Amino acid sequence: KQEVTQIPAALSVPEGENLVLNCSFTDSAIYNLQWFRQDPGKGLTSLLLIQSSQREQTSGRLNASLDKSSGRSTLYIAASQPGDSATYLCAVPTGGGSNYKLTFGKGTLLTVNP
Amino acid sequence: DTGVSQNPRHKITKRGQNVTFRCDPISEHNRLYWYRQTLGQGPEFLTYFQNEAQLEKSRLLSDRFSAERPKGSFSTLEIQRTEQGDSAMYLCASRGDTGNTIYFGEGSWLTVV
Repeated sequence: KQEVTQIPAALSVPEGENLVLNCSFTDSAIYNLQWFRQDPGKGLTSLLLIQSSQREQTSGRLNASLDKSSGRSTLYIAASQPGDSATYLCAVPTGGGSNYKLTFGKGTLLTVNP
Repeated sequence: DTGVSQNPRHKITKRGQNVTFRCDPISEHNRLYWYRQTLGQGPEFLTYFQNEAQLEKSRLLSDRFSAERPKGSFSTLEIQRTEQGDSAMYLCASRGDTGNTIYFGEGSWLTVV
């Protein structure tokens, strides 16, 4: 059974810092990995999706990396801003080649202090 | 795309009552998912539709839960005889034939008192 773990569970940083969020998964036979952002009481917003054949994906100040062999992914946020405060979730598909069923980690709660 | 739409956004109900949530996926997305999320946890998969066919249901979906997607468009999730343990956010998501990104709605909060 696929299990996804995110470390740390919570992180508080001053504005402007670069930071790394970690995600690990137990079954390395994944099709892709997706990072989401969730604001309090809201739904999930997709940030980045990395295919299994890729090593990195970048969007603005966000960079996600994937190491399938070690079962790890990282989300790097550059020059953090208070508006980045949210819960960040990673998810991997289970049950086959398409990502029709995602298994999520519990998320990392990020607070960026002005 | 107008995004995935869910209604109602919040529902407070007494234990034992029935509730129904509606999800309108992104137009032309043939894949639709329901997830449940409790505080401090990641979303957990409940069920999956491809067009109007319900292809998979989680063990989390007890007999009190039923989901439909008539005509392969919007979907409803009904919970009968609600229990306090049903209190959670119910998230709907959709995906099209091209691309692997799944798009989530804003969720429907259920509080059973």
